[in-house]
Amino acid sequence: AQSVSQHNHHVILSEAASLELGCNYSYGGTVNLFWYVQYPGQHLQLLLKYFSGDPLVKGIKGFEAEFIKSKFSFNLRKPSVQWSDTAEYFCAVSPTGGGNKLTFGTGTQLKVEL
Amino acid sequence: GAVVSQHPSWVICKSGTSVKIECRSLDFQATTMFWYRQFPKQSLMLMATSNEGSKATYEQGVEKDKFLINHASLTLSTLTVTSAHPEDSSFYICSVGHQRDTGELFFGEGSRLTVL
Repeated sequence: AQSVSQHNHHVILSEAASLELGCNYSYGGTVNLFWYVQYPGQHLQLLLKYFSGDPLVKGIKGFEAEFIKSKFSFNLRKPSVQWSDTAEYFCAVSPTGGGNKLTFGTGTQLKVEL
Repeated sequence: GAVVSQHPSWVICKSGTSVKIECRSLDFQATTMFWYRQFPKQSLMLMATSNEGSKATYEQGVEKDKFLINHASLTLSTLTVTSAHPEDSSFYICSVGHQRDTGELFFGEGSRLTVL
């Protein structure tokens, strides 16, 4: 079975600071990788995804993530955060061809201060 | 993307009673829906896959007689927590996948259950 580890549980940044949230997964086969975000009071929504191809993927709102296969990592980055990025971020993985069953990390609560 | 709605958003019940949570896919016919559970400060844990017109598939360790799932139509799945106890208090979230095998899901707003 796969597992996902997110290293940072709480992150506090000032506006314009750079962001990197770590995500590592454990699985013996090929995977699809995701970052989901939950803004306060809203549904979980997809931020970006990696299925194959270019390991650097870009998502909404200026976020990007890089898949490093050798490190089993899929870290999320943003060069300059905004107050509106305050949210909880979840890394998730599903086995390629294994249906739509996601395994989530424990989430990282990001707070961006003005 | 799909619009997924859950009802109720929160519910408080007495120990020993049963609670039903509905999950509706408002603009997409979903043959499969997923039920997750989230404890405070923990990750979302997949409980079961709800299959339209057939039995749900439960994850290891999830009691199927405790968490009854019914997926009677392409737009509605229900989760019934039977004989609820305080340890069942949690946040229950359903989701729908638009495309097969992509892992890209659309989530409901979640239902918070508190069992007294």
